[in-house]
This record gives sequence, C-alpha cells and structure tokens, in this order.
Amino acid sequence: ETGVTQSPTHLIKTRGQQVTLRCSSQSGHNTVSWYQQALGQGPQFIFQYYREEENGRGNFPPRFSGLQFPNYSSELNVNALELDDSALYLCASSLTGVEQFFGPGTRLTVL
Amino acid sequence: ELKVEQNPLFLSMQEGKNYTIYCNYSTTSDRLYWYRQDPGKSLESLFVLLSNGAVKQEGRLMASLDTKARLSTLHITAAVHDLSATYFCAVDPSGSRLTFGEGTQLTVNP
Repeated sequence: ETGVTQSPTHLIKTRGQQVTLRCSSQSGHNTVSWYQQALGQGPQFIFQYYREEENGRGNFPPRFSGLQFPNYSSELNVNALELDDSALYLCASSLTGVEQFFGPGTRLTVL
Repeated sequence: ELKVEQNPLFLSMQEGKNYTIYCNYSTTSDRLYWYRQDPGKSLESLFVLLSNGAVKQEGRLMASLDTKARLSTLHITAAVHDLSATYFCAVDPSGSRLTFGEGTQLTVNP
C-alpha cells in the first residue's frame, strides 16, 4: 500500500509568481487536507476536499485554492506569492475522518 | 476560535529522566492527536486518543486524555537521545480539521 506522496520536494519562487503543489492520497482515501507550516510553528489548516468538493477552509485568502480529482489526488495552487508564503506545505489523506496520514511535504521558498 | 496550548515550548532534559508535556485546548473535543516531527521532516503519528480517560503507551512515551479538563499529557519515561524532536498535539472536534499546538521542542542530552 502506497502512502501519501507529494511533489515537488522543494521549490523556489519569486514574489508575485504562482505555484502548484501536488498530492497523491493513500490508496482508497477520499479526503485530502492541506496544511501550511511556517518555520518554528505548528501546521495551520488551509482547506479540505472530500470527493472533489471543498469541505472546510481555514483562515487563508482566496489566492490559496485547490482541486481534488476523481482519483482523489489533489492540487494546492497559490497565486501572487508573498514572502510569508514560504513554508512547508503538508498534505494529509483520510478515509474515515478519524486519522489523517501526512505526506513528506513540499518546502516552498519565496524570494 | 479553538486554541491549543502546549507547555513547555522548549524542554531540555538528561537521558534517563522523566518529564511530562501538557496540551490544553479551549473547546470540547473527544479527539486528540500527538505527532512527532524531526527537523525538516513531516509529521509522524504517535497517538490517537478518542475518548475521555484514554491512555496509550508506546515504548517510553505514554499519552492520556481528560476531555472534561480539556487536557492531554505526553509522559516521557527514562528519556533517550533518540526522542529528541518536536512534539505536537492537535485537536479535531468536528472531524474535518486539525488544530495544532505550537509544539514542544525536546532535546535529550547525554
């Protein structure tokens, strides 16, 4: 059974650019959540997708958007990047909603 | 707004000693999670606590949950260097999103 995977591992962007991060959920998991973890802080909930529909959103501006595909993989898109968007982005998948399984993360640096 | 507070935020301890990390949260929840994070890495699930009075143990770590007091503890017994990491508690009252504490950075010294 394959766990949660994310791509890319690292990337560097400049302020104002757009970025897309990808997540493949664990086999059979129909729920994907995205979290942002700034350096030295706990992860912050961005949003969750359940069966291709957004199922809750944290306190993030609209320039953070997402998609979930029929195979339950997901994308996180961030437009108009700001310096404060530099963080580790974590994707987590779940089947029952009781436990979330985290991927390895994508480290985004905005210069 | 749900708040999750951990203390201490930084903990330096000697090998062989015992210590407890505390996690307080502000809203009723029967679901509490403990994670470990090594530098530059993702989150590793340690414990899932789903009811009042739940106690789980794995090796030198033991976690408990008191939902009435809105308090969870992570107890470390006879610490070893390999336990050095950052430990997060997280609460999920609605079953749809985790709210994390700030983390406790643990350093175990020889």
